[in-house]
Amino acid sequence: GDSVTQMEGPVTLSEEAFLTINCTYTATGYPSLFWYVQYPGEGLQLLLKATKADDKGSNKGFEATYRKETTSFHLEKGSVQVSDSAVYFCALSDQGGGSNYKLTFGKGTLLTVNP
Amino acid sequence: GAVVSQHPSWVICKSGTSVKIECRSLDFQATTMFWYRQFPKQSLMLMATSNEGSKATYEQGVEKDKFLINHASLTLSTLTVTSAHPEDSSFYICSAEGGGDLREQYFGPGTRLTVT
Repeated sequence: GDSVTQMEGPVTLSEEAFLTINCTYTATGYPSLFWYVQYPGEGLQLLLKATKADDKGSNKGFEATYRKETTSFHLEKGSVQVSDSAVYFCALSDQGGGSNYKLTFGKGTLLTVNP
Repeated sequence: GAVVSQHPSWVICKSGTSVKIECRSLDFQATTMFWYRQFPKQSLMLMATSNEGSKATYEQGVEKDKFLINHASLTLSTLTVTSAHPEDSSFYICSAEGGGDLREQYFGPGTRLTVT
């Protein structure tokens, strides 16, 4: 079945540091890939997405490129801010039984950015 | 747009009682809603897929008689935890599918259930 593996945290960085959170996946079909962010006390929010190989998703300074050859979708940001402190989830969407698109999540990576 | 609400945001109940959690899509219609369970420091685990007007599809290992799901309208799905036990204590999250080719899911803020 489908699975997502992302680097375990927690990750602690200083403000303006470079961020990379690794994510790899296994899927039987051609999935779409996502990064979600969960701020403390809030629900998941879609951060960025990519639907096919070599697509680059970007939002709020975060980027991730869909690499089919390495089955990866690593999240990067050049300069993190304190407000980026949150839990980040990598996920894939593959068409499940019937017409429903099911999301499979990684375990999440807690990022803490210190001033 | 694309706001999903959950009610209640947290609930404490006694062992053996039942608890109902509501999930609403506030500004769009959702034919499909999903229910997840999230354990501390763990990922979200899909429990079931709920399609309006039909029976929910449960993931392997999820007891359908314990976790009753009803999707009576295009904006409301409910999850009822029946005869709750302490091991059912968890964070329950719903999402609603927004349509379009990608069928993006929009997530609610979650409900913290504690069974004493």
